[in-house]
Amino acid sequence: QQQVKQSPQSLIVQKGGISIINCAYENTAFDYFPWYQQFPGKGPALLIAIRPDVSEKKEGRFTISFNKSAKQFSLHIMDSQPGDSATYFCAASRSYSGAGSYQLTFGKGTKLSVIP
Amino acid sequence: EAGVVQSPRYKIIEKKQPVAFWCNPISGHNTLYWYLQNLGQGPELLIRYENEEAVDDSQLPKDRFSAERLKGVDSTLKIQPAELGDSAVYLCASSHGGVSRGDTQYFGPGTRLTVL
Repeated sequence: QQQVKQSPQSLIVQKGGISIINCAYENTAFDYFPWYQQFPGKGPALLIAIRPDVSEKKEGRFTISFNKSAKQFSLHIMDSQPGDSATYFCAASRSYSGAGSYQLTFGKGTKLSVIP
Repeated sequence: EAGVVQSPRYKIIEKKQPVAFWCNPISGHNTLYWYLQNLGQGPELLIRYENEEAVDDSQLPKDRFSAERLKGVDSTLKIQPAELGDSAVYLCASSHGGVSRGDTQYFGPGTRLTVL
């Protein structure tokens, strides 16, 4: 059972354009939604994250939009640059009381190519 | 601050041979994770440690996979015997742990295993 569905699988955007990647989740217990960026040969790195008490979070050119009722969240990359070319993973988890650590469930990833 | 260190970075073995991967987490991080990442897929959790205790190993194929985290610092993941389907990238991640929610996981570069 795939608990986090990500689309599209690949995306080509012109430099300066907006990249949009969508994710949908099934488990209503999830309460933490990070996005990770992965370059070839590297491990994933946290890009931005959101909790369901807000509908939007912005950090620089990166914005997460969150729709709790639809169980969907998306990543928007404004003014996309060739250096943004990477694979992006959405993820979701629920917090554990007490210990604080959590288990991430990842989407299958979106390969973004930003062309000059 | 040094990141998560993994070795080796690449490993090629014949099927039925044993193989071991090593991970050194970020200093002070109590929680350590091993993930499996197949080509074109998101990471999937294999096992999670809180200090030296394995608190979630439900996804670890225990007939051939084993892991240990002696003294709650470094960790080793072993496969014996390896099968062709084990070819993948094995990622290690660590997080600070504690009582804060949404604890960020920091990933190492991974070990790419090829089983011939």
